[in-house]
Amino acid sequence: DQQVKQNSPSLSVQEGRISILNCDYTNSMFDYFLWYKKYPAEGPTFLISISSIKDKNEDGRFTVFLNKSAKHLSLHIVPSQPGDSAVYFCAASARGNEKLTFGTGTRLTIIP
Amino acid sequence: GAVVSQHPSRVICKSGTSVKIECRSLDFQATTMFWYRQFPKQSLMLMATSNEGSKATYEQGVEKDKFLINHASLTLSTLTVTSAHPEDSSFYICSAPRQGIPYEQYFGPGTRLTVT
Repeated sequence: DQQVKQNSPSLSVQEGRISILNCDYTNSMFDYFLWYKKYPAEGPTFLISISSIKDKNEDGRFTVFLNKSAKHLSLHIVPSQPGDSAVYFCAASARGNEKLTFGTGTRLTIIP
Repeated sequence: GAVVSQHPSRVICKSGTSVKIECRSLDFQATTMFWYRQFPKQSLMLMATSNEGSKATYEQGVEKDKFLINHASLTLSTLTVTSAHPEDSSFYICSAPRQGIPYEQYFGPGTRLTVT
């Protein structure tokens, strides 16, 4: 039972344009959401997070949007840069639990 | 720089042998650490929660006798894959919660285990 889903396994975006990565979840107990970036043969690195009390959080080129009614979140990267090419995982946590549930990942390729 | 290290980064072992993977938090203490495994092109699946001073908590479907976890100190957790089989070949990653912000975990670089 995949509680966190990323339906697009891959995405290609032109350098300088906006990258939008999507994530859906089913567990209504999730109240904290995170995005991680992962290069091959490395562990994930934290990018940005959002609490369920917010609907938007920005950090530089990265913005995460949360739509609780739709159980959907998205990560916007603008402008996209070649170094952004990686696999992006969304993750969710429920009510004070440190355990994270990860999505299946989206491979983002930025085309120079 | 890296705040969580793993050793070894890559290991090849023969079927039936045991392999130990170390996870260390650098410059901070971690009473809890997490162990994940990742199959190619799949998500990170949580295997177990390692607790300093007490038994590990395993996720449903994970064999505790096969994947032995020991949280020896506030900076070290080990995962031992006992009697390894080819189906245990995977990428194993550990993580430790960031102090003060437990959801934002620091991940180790991972260990690629290949069982022949």
